Amino acid sequence: KQEVTQIPAALSVPEGENLVLNCSFTDSAIYNLQWFRQDPGKGLTSLLLIQSSQREQTSGRLNASLDKSSGRSTLYIAASQPGDSATYLCAVRGGANSKLTFGKGITLSVRP
Amino acid sequence: SAVISQKPSRDICQRGTSLTIQCQVDSQVTMMFWYRQQPGQSLTLIATANQGSEATYESGFVIDKFPISRPNLTFSTLTVSNMSPEDSSIYLCSAVRDFGYEQYFGPGTRLTVT
Repeated sequence: KQEVTQIPAALSVPEGENLVLNCSFTDSAIYNLQWFRQDPGKGLTSLLLIQSSQREQTSGRLNASLDKSSGRSTLYIAASQPGDSATYLCAVRGGANSKLTFGKGITLSVRP
Repeated sequence: SAVISQKPSRDICQRGTSLTIQCQVDSQVTMMFWYRQQPGQSLTLIATANQGSEATYESGFVIDKFPISRPNLTFSTLTVSNMSPEDSSIYLCSAVRDFGYEQYFGPGTRLTVT
């Protein structure tokens, strides 16, 4: 059974800092991995999707990497801003027809 | 990308009643899902809504409690039946065009049962 872990559960950083959010998964046989952002009381916003054949994806100040063999993904946020404060969730799809397995998320607070 | 809307956005309901949540996607999608997110927790998949057939429920969720319809490729409903305070959660609709693509989520329905 796939398990997705995100540590730490919460993170507080000063504005402007570059930061890395980690995600680990137990079964390396994944189809793809997706990073989401969730603001309090809201739905999930898709940030980046990485296919199993890819090593990284970039969107603006965000860069996500994938190392399937070690069961890890990282989300890099450059020059963090207070508006980046949210919960970031990592989700793994195990096969072409399988459901997403979510981590519990990392709650990020960027201090002005 | 797909834009997903949900109605209602929030509701306060009495114990023992039922609430139906509607989900509309702005384009045809292959798969639609319903999730529950309890306060401070991550997402739990309730079921996959299958077009033209019965939904596929995850362990711990049953059709009598959470009946789901999906009459076409862009619309689904989730009913929370015979509600109790333990059903107070955010209910999220989600959809994916194909499993090789991004999965999208609606804004959620915040349900409070008193």
